[in-house]
Amino acid sequence: QQQVKQSPQSLIVQKGGISIINCAYENTAFDYFPWYQQFPGKGPALLIAIRPDVSEKKEGRFTISFNKSAKQFSLHIMDSQPGDSATYFCAARMDSSYKLIFGSGTRLLVRP
Amino acid sequence: NAGVMQNPRHLVRRRGQEARLRCSPMKGHSHVYWYRQLPEEGLKFMVYLQKENIIDESGMPKERFSAEFPKEGPSILRIQQVVRGDSAAYFCASSFGDSSYEQYFGPGTRLTVT
Repeated sequence: QQQVKQSPQSLIVQKGGISIINCAYENTAFDYFPWYQQFPGKGPALLIAIRPDVSEKKEGRFTISFNKSAKQFSLHIMDSQPGDSATYFCAARMDSSYKLIFGSGTRLLVRP
Repeated sequence: NAGVMQNPRHLVRRRGQEARLRCSPMKGHSHVYWYRQLPEEGLKFMVYLQKENIIDESGMPKERFSAEFPKEGPSILRIQQVVRGDSAAYFCASSFGDSSYEQYFGPGTRLTVT
């Protein structure tokens, strides 16, 4: 119940296309869902986050879609660029706990 | 540099030696978290500390691992008698306070045990 399942494991998208990464969870006590971007040899960088009281949040080319009833959330990267090539992690946190539970990651490659 | 700082960035230890990893949180942040990342895997929570207090160490191995966040100075993650399975990237994150959900990560320390 503490798991966050992330898919796909890897993704190849053409420049200008839309990248979509999905995550699913079981524990309804999760109330904060961030996405992190990690480049090789670097630490994860907070990209965008959502709380379950909204169904969508958009920041620039990045959008989180949240489906509370299905217990799923996804990251959409519009107009994907080669510079977006990185590993993306979804995560979840319960209000009663401070730790983030991470998905297994998606390695995104955007071809020029 | 106003971000989370970690040092060393790379650390090589022989089996049986001790590893000490340091983390300085972002300015104004008083909460520190340590995570471990094995190759090709996601991050796994280890421990959550506030100044002079361990709040949650549910992810820490029961033996050889310890963490502290003293009143003055950086947070330290200490691994005694390292084994090859300890080889991983160790990341520190910090947040502003209890009500702050946002955790900001440092660049990590990559530990290699030979």
